[in-house]
Amino acid sequence: DIQMTQSPSSLPASLGERVTISCRASQGISNNLNWYQQKPDGTIKPLIYYTSNLQSGVPSRFSGSGSGTDYSLTISSLEPEDFAMYYCQQDASFPPTFGGGTKLELK
Amino acid sequence: EVKLQQSGDELVRPGASVKMSCKASGYTFTDYAMHWVKQSPGQGLEWIGTIIPLIDTTSYNQKFKGKATLTADKSSNTAYMELSRLTSEDSAVYYCARAVATEYFDYWGQGVMVTVSS
Repeated sequence: DIQMTQSPSSLPASLGERVTISCRASQGISNNLNWYQQKPDGTIKPLIYYTSNLQSGVPSRFSGSGSGTDYSLTISSLEPEDFAMYYCQQDASFPPTFGGGTKLELK
Repeated sequence: EVKLQQSGDELVRPGASVKMSCKASGYTFTDYAMHWVKQSPGQGLEWIGTIIPLIDTTSYNQKFKGKATLTADKSSNTAYMELSRLTSEDSAVYYCARAVATEYFDYWGQGVMVTVSS
């Protein structure tokens, strides 16, 4: 199975700040990398698919980039509703696997 | 509006089985695969398996073979997952999620918390 490693595991940040979350795959995944947001109530929402494509309805302050084994999610200016858990996920190879998550916290 | 409505939380005894449901609405049920994902307490997400309702084909993560059984009822637009021989390791929240093409999950259910305890 492809291992997905996210960093940092915890990210304290302030409103309006620009933040980046990293995700590294144990082997190349050819941009087959997706991002999800999980709120404290457990609700999971898709954000980005195939590295950089924004899911319909997701604000443009979210963006994704990367290639090969290294990918990132950037939020350009944090809003109150952005403080949540974030997970990357690869669907290049069976079985699909997720990163361990990054908790974006209010500083 | 696409919606995946999961059944309620469960408290089950060790060694027992539990069957949970995921009722889909707002789209053609047979046009998409349904996947199931496990989230253990304080942990990340693990993919369990998928079912293609149109042809009743399933595929499982090797780790969950023999533990999870996926089925679907096209007449009621509902997917099911049964977990057998439950242990404390099975205590978790279980999500159903619709997949668009590959394994990108564009809609998720609200989750079912399963607690295994005597």
